[in-house]
Amino acid sequence: GAGVSQTPSNKVTEKGKYVELRCDPISGHTALYWYRQSLGQGPEFLIYFQGTGAADDSGLPNDRFFAVRPEGSVSTLKIQRTERGDSAVYLCASSLSGGIQETQYFGPGTRLLVL
Amino acid sequence: GNSVTQMEGPVTLSEEAFLTINCTYTATGYPSLFWYVQYPGEGLQLLLKATKADDKGSNKGFEATYRKETTSFHLEKGSVQVSDSAVYFCALTSGTYKYIFGTGTRLKVLA
Repeated sequence: GAGVSQTPSNKVTEKGKYVELRCDPISGHTALYWYRQSLGQGPEFLIYFQGTGAADDSGLPNDRFFAVRPEGSVSTLKIQRTERGDSAVYLCASSLSGGIQETQYFGPGTRLLVL
Repeated sequence: GNSVTQMEGPVTLSEEAFLTINCTYTATGYPSLFWYVQYPGEGLQLLLKATKADDKGSNKGFEATYRKETTSFHLEKGSVQVSDSAVYFCALTSGTYKYIFGTGTRLKVLA
């Protein structure tokens, strides 16, 4: 079956611009996660959705970052007033119900470059 | 806080060599441990996992044993292939859905 998909695969933007990154999880998965992977590092947690609601947004670095999942399926990560330090690969993952020991299935990521 | 430490890469091996990638962790409670693999141009894929002490996860010839006494989850494979060239990430969850990842270890296997 289809895995987690993310669009675009690459995004180049200028400092100060607004960007949106999209994630389409595995069908039927109620839990959705966003992670950020900086160069040479492992992914770091940003936000977790259970259904339509953000159950945990403790990993968002500041208020320029925001994410939504209005219908409990597709999610969009939004970054306002982008900065060069936002350059990273943004990963989306989904799991069946958000249980603690559940396997999370990752998408291929969106590589964001802020010039 | 919780953390994962992996051996620095890159690791370069000849085909059919034995592989070990070290992973140690610090966690409160009883974490679940994972190895993910990232092949060139692809997303992270679960390779194997173990959810309690002394469990052994295995997949595609790779193995890792959850050692509580040494807080380790080392990845091993008896005979690597060129197709195993990838970046390997050790990760844990402990009482939460948040994955804590190591920094990754790049493996390059030469024919």
